[in-house]
Amino acid sequence: KAGVTQTPRYLIKTRGQQVTLSCSPISGHRSVSWYQQTPGQGLQFLFEYFSETQRNKGNFPGRFSGRQFSNSRSEMNVSTLELGDSALYLCASSLGFREDTQYFGPGTRLTVL
Amino acid sequence: EDKVVQSPLSLVVHEGDTVTLNCSYEVTNFRSLLWYKQEKKAPTFLFMLTSSGIEKKSGRLSSILDKKELFSILNITATQTGDSAVYLCAENSGGYQKVTFGIGTKLQVIP
Repeated sequence: KAGVTQTPRYLIKTRGQQVTLSCSPISGHRSVSWYQQTPGQGLQFLFEYFSETQRNKGNFPGRFSGRQFSNSRSEMNVSTLELGDSALYLCASSLGFREDTQYFGPGTRLTVL
Repeated sequence: EDKVVQSPLSLVVHEGDTVTLNCSYEVTNFRSLLWYKQEKKAPTFLFMLTSSGIEKKSGRLSSILDKKELFSILNITATQTGDSAVYLCAENSGGYQKVTFGIGTKLQVIP
């Protein structure tokens, strides 16, 4: 069974630009969660999508948004990039039930210059 | 606000040593505690704990949860260089997949 895939793996952008990251979950998984990982803050929850609906949301500004498609693939968008948005963005998929195990993708390393 | 605190933040041991990693949490609606291993990019799942006092084991790794004292430990016996990684503790209390992670313990095992 293929694992969680994320594209692109690396991205360099400049301040003010916007970026879209993509995540394809494990086949059969309907929940996709997004996390931001930085050295100082660790892994922080951004949001979770289940059946094309945002089900949970973390404490990030509105510049961070996401969506999920009918095939469970998900995209995350960050608008008006700031230097502090430089981070590893990880997505994780699960079946979507309570206390399911999440399986993480390899992440997208975003650098904002 | 839910909080997960891990200690120590980093640890250097020799191969063959036994290590204990600590995780304490403050949550409003505890459902489960999770341990992950992160070597390069993708964290990989180790354990999910929901009940106090029941040890979960996988090879040389084991973990236990104390819901009264709000902490968990991860033990690694006979450490190997391949155990070098960041170990992440997390709790799932927000319902479904809203998971709060600790900052991690960086373990380095030297030959």
